Amino acid sequence: DSGVTQTPKHLITATGQRVTLRCSPRSGDLSVYWYQQSLDQGLQFLIQYYNGEERAKGNILERFSAQQFPDLHSELNLSSLELGDSALYFCASSVSRNNEQFFGPGTRLTVL
Amino acid sequence: AQKITQTQPGMFVQEKEAVTLDCTYDTSDQSYGLFWYKQPSSGEMIFLIYQGSYDEQNATEGRYSLNFQKARKSANLVISASQLGDSAMYFCAMSYHNAGNMLTFGGGTRLMVKP
Repeated sequence: DSGVTQTPKHLITATGQRVTLRCSPRSGDLSVYWYQQSLDQGLQFLIQYYNGEERAKGNILERFSAQQFPDLHSELNLSSLELGDSALYFCASSVSRNNEQFFGPGTRLTVL
Repeated sequence: AQKITQTQPGMFVQEKEAVTLDCTYDTSDQSYGLFWYKQPSSGEMIFLIYQGSYDEQNATEGRYSLNFQKARKSANLVISASQLGDSAMYFCAMSYHNAGNMLTFGGGTRLMVKP
C-alpha cells in the first residue's frame, strides 16, 4: 500500500459526460501528479500541483482540468468525454518537487 | 525532449535466476532521476528503485539493483533470484529535477517468470 488513495476504482460512463476523479496523497506529501495510461499512448504525465498551485502541465487536453485543495487532496475533472478517454488514471504524490513519486491504485475509466 | 527506451517488449526468466531489464535514456540535462516501477496484472504502480544522476554508487533495494552507466545513458534493472511474483510489467522512468519532477516513462517490458 503506497498510502495514496484514489476514488472511484472503476468508472463507466457515456460519451459527452463529465466525471471527477479524486486523489488523496500520502500524509505530508505536498506534490500531486496525474498520469494517464492508455493502450495507444502508454503512460503520460498530465498535470502537477504543489501545495495547492499548478506547477507543470503535460499532455493534458483542454477538456480536462484539475485542482489541489487546501487539505492537499486533488481532483481531476474530465468533461465532454470521448471513447478515446478510456484509460487508467493514476495519481502520484511526493514530499517535494524532486522526490520519488508513489502511485495510487488508479481509476479505470471506461467511456461507452 | 527527454526520451526513455525499453527495447525488450517481453522477456522470460527461469525462477531463481537473475534477469536484466534494459533502459536507455536521452537527455542533455545534468540533474535528473531514474526510476523503475513494477505494474502487476492488478494494475497498481509499485515503486522499486531510484537513482539520481549525481549518485556515484548504483542503487540497490533488496533483490533489485540499478546498473547505472551515465556515459552510456543506461539504467538497467537487475532482479536477482527471480520469483513467480516478479511476473509483471516493468517501467523505466526519468524525471528532470529542474522541471517539477514529472515522470517520462518508457514503453515497458513484460517479464514472465517460469517455474
